[in-house]
Amino acid sequence: DIQMTQSPSSVSASVGDSVTITCRASQDISTWLVWYQHKPGTAPRLLIYTTSILQSGVPSRFSGSGSGTDFTLTISSLQPEDFATYYCQQANSLPYTFGQGTKLEMK
Amino acid sequence: QVQLAQSGAEMKKPGASVRVSCKASGYTFTSHAIHWVRQAPGQTLEWMGWINAGNGNAKYSQKFQDRVTFTRDTSASTAYMELSSLKSEDTAFYYCARPGELGFDYWGQGTLVSVSS
Repeated sequence: DIQMTQSPSSVSASVGDSVTITCRASQDISTWLVWYQHKPGTAPRLLIYTTSILQSGVPSRFSGSGSGTDFTLTISSLQPEDFATYYCQQANSLPYTFGQGTKLEMK
Repeated sequence: QVQLAQSGAEMKKPGASVRVSCKASGYTFTSHAIHWVRQAPGQTLEWMGWINAGNGNAKYSQKFQDRVTFTRDTSASTAYMELSSLKSEDTAFYYCARPGELGFDYWGQGTLVSVSS
């Protein structure tokens, strides 16, 4: 199975800040990488797929990059609604696997 | 609009089985797969497998291969996940999800399955 490792596991930031989350795959997954936002009591929300394509309706302050084994999710100009847990997921091969999550907390 | 509506919370004893339903609306049910993902308390998301809603073929994660069964009822636009031989470690939120271009773009609201003696 492909292991996905996210860092940091948690980060504190303020409204207006920019935050970058990294995700590393244990083997080359090309650009088959997805990012989700998850808030307690709700279903995960697809943000970005194929590394850098924004899902419809996702604000442009979210962006993704990378290829191979190293990927990043950047949120610029944080808004109050962005405080949540973020997960990466590899969609290169079954079984699909997720990173352990990065909790974005308000400073 | 696309919606996936899951059945309500379940409380089970160890060794029992549970069945969770996922009713789809807003799209042609048989044109898309349904995947199942779970999240145990304090843990990350875990993919369990998927079912082709058109022909009923299912593929399971090796971790759950021996204990999980996915089925669907096309007349009811509903997918089902049955997990047997429940253990306390199976306590989790269980989600159904529909794949998009890549990843899962629609999710059910989640079903909490609690396993305790």
